[in-house]
Amino acid sequence: DTAVSQTPKYLVTQMGNDKSIKCEQNLGHDTMYWYKQDSKKFLKIMFSYNNKELIINETVPNRFSPKSPDKAHLNLHINSLELGDSAVYFCASSQGGATNTGELFFGEGSRLTVL
Amino acid sequence: GQSLEQPSEVTAVEGAIVQINCTYQTSGFYGLSWYQQHDGGAPTFLSYNALDGLEETGRFSSFLSRSDSYGYLLLQELQMKDSASYFCAVAPYTGGGNKLTFGTGTQLKVEL
Repeated sequence: DTAVSQTPKYLVTQMGNDKSIKCEQNLGHDTMYWYKQDSKKFLKIMFSYNNKELIINETVPNRFSPKSPDKAHLNLHINSLELGDSAVYFCASSQGGATNTGELFFGEGSRLTVL
Repeated sequence: GQSLEQPSEVTAVEGAIVQINCTYQTSGFYGLSWYQQHDGGAPTFLSYNALDGLEETGRFSSFLSRSDSYGYLLLQELQMKDSASYFCAVAPYTGGGNKLTFGTGTQLKVEL
């Protein structure tokens, strides 16, 4: 059973389009995240949700809109895609943040290519 | 803000020992984590240092010194499968532990 699963794995789309990435975790965790990994492999946090509530929004353009319908799901919708949005987007989850164990569980990533 | 610096690349031979350093500038954090990421894969958790000192998990050990703003990951008996990127990360107090911030990453190449 996959602990953190995200779909789709690959996305190729044109500039200006809108796309969504879905994420689900079956670990019973209360905190979920979206990270962006660029071509230089730098991993940057975008959003963090705890029990469906947004707690971290790391100055991400408002073209990016996360939604958490319940604590097991965190989706990411991106409007008006730009070339610079091309990256791998990782969903992750943890129990109670990273304060006690420093451990996040990551999904396999969604590689977005904007043409 | 927080910045965590790592060497961009390290090369070592199979069977050797390698140390990957992480130096940081941060106002305060809960602990130092290490993650491994193979090409095309997901980051996976390796170890966590909440306190100063050495933590050992099999072939991997991790060290933290808050007074020196420094930590490292030590990999022993290197195997080809250890070729991957390695990231240090901290959860700053300012994010309430919900903002795990990653270092610049180190590409480890293990050669025969």
